[in-house]
Amino acid sequence: AQKVTQAQTEISVVEKEDVTLDCVYETRDTTYYLFWYKQPPSGELVFLIRRNSFDEQNEISGRYSWNFQKSTSSFNFTITASQVVDSAVYFCALSGSGTYKYIFGTGTRLKVLA
Amino acid sequence: GAVVSQHPSWVICKSGTSVKIECRSLDFQATTMFWYRQFPKQSLMLMATSNEGSKATYEQGVEKDKFLINHASLTLSTLTVTSAHPEDSSFYICSARGNLEDHNEQFFGPGTRLTVL
Repeated sequence: AQKVTQAQTEISVVEKEDVTLDCVYETRDTTYYLFWYKQPPSGELVFLIRRNSFDEQNEISGRYSWNFQKSTSSFNFTITASQVVDSAVYFCALSGSGTYKYIFGTGTRLKVLA
Repeated sequence: GAVVSQHPSWVICKSGTSVKIECRSLDFQATTMFWYRQFPKQSLMLMATSNEGSKATYEQGVEKDKFLINHASLTLSTLTVTSAHPEDSSFYICSARGNLEDHNEQFFGPGTRLTVL
């Protein structure tokens, strides 16, 4: 069975602090894909990143960075120098090979305080 | 590219009526579309998967006679909530994937907020 765990339900930080959102996944597939999405109050999902199981390189995009570690089945997301506009719910998702379905984590609500 | 639209963006209806939600892929052909439901402060839960020209596959616990899904063309899927009740009030999100996708990515619509009075 596939599963995604986002243990942090809600995080509050003060602007300019760094924050890491955790994502732990379970799958028996050797080929799979991991995603992060941002859901602002408007509700529309905003795609942030996709990573396949064969690419363990970490990635940095501006203030965002991702740490993918197969050894611990984790795909963590760090926001550096957080801003109020980063306030949203962030979802981690897993998709296995051949099924195309997404399994979403329960989401982490991030509040960045001015 | 890869834009998915939903209509309407919000709808309020009376209990017992039916509501149709449209999901369109605007700039690509969507061989597969997915319908999700999201209750307040909860995650997205997959309701069903539909492939163009065939019957939808529903997830366990989702009533197929209540949530009718039609995927009649490569750019349009519809979800009809029949005999809606207040407990059906939710945020409904569709997504689509194209036939050239080889890394499982889905493109999400902006969602439809349904309120049943």
